[in-house]
Amino acid sequence: EAQVTQNPRYLITVTGKKLTVTCSQNMNHEYMSWYRQDPGLGLRQIYYSMNVEVTDKGDVPEGYKVSRKEKRNFPLILESPSPNQTSLYFCASSFQNPRGPSSEFFGPGTRLTVL
Amino acid sequence: EDKVVQSPLSLVVHEGDTVTLNCSYEVTNFRSLLWYKQEKKAPTFLFMLTSSGIEKKSGRLSSILDKKELFSILNITATQTGDSAVYLCAVGVNNNDMRFGAGTRLTVKP
Repeated sequence: EAQVTQNPRYLITVTGKKLTVTCSQNMNHEYMSWYRQDPGLGLRQIYYSMNVEVTDKGDVPEGYKVSRKEKRNFPLILESPSPNQTSLYFCASSFQNPRGPSSEFFGPGTRLTVL
Repeated sequence: EDKVVQSPLSLVVHEGDTVTLNCSYEVTNFRSLLWYKQEKKAPTFLFMLTSSGIEKKSGRLSSILDKKELFSILNITATQTGDSAVYLCAVGVNNNDMRFGAGTRLTVKP
């Protein structure tokens, strides 16, 4: 089954404790991205990657890191989480075309709470 | 600064009604516009639009893009309770950034 998986689905942590949210896709997509979703603000792109070893900042990259060592995986790293990073996080992937990413497949979401 | 604005923010209709959702944008280097439906979980893809004036259609849903006036509309005819969701508009900009609007929450009452 074609899918994007994220782990963990729910996480409660404390300020300053490094964490990683994993994302994996099995569709051989070139493009992967991370979003956060907050009430009233919609989805905001954190980072995206057009292919292995190619990553770029999105709209709200501060406080986050990513890596793309393999095509299928795109982990999101919070080196020192803060309460303002409490949010619902989505990973997404799609094929790349000259117009940019095509329809993105979204993962199920990770609800993160930073105390 | 890139902006994607959806209206209305919230809409309540009855089954059988027709609704029109709006998405206007001001972005640098427009690449594409996408519509998604988000129920309780992750967004699911509806349409991708890149050319003005060409209607995309899927069942009771249709969408069109106007690149001159910088907006898109999503129409849903003969609404059903299963259409209740948040509808998201996203615009692809620059190289490969995506900018989402805040969404329109549609509630369809029986």
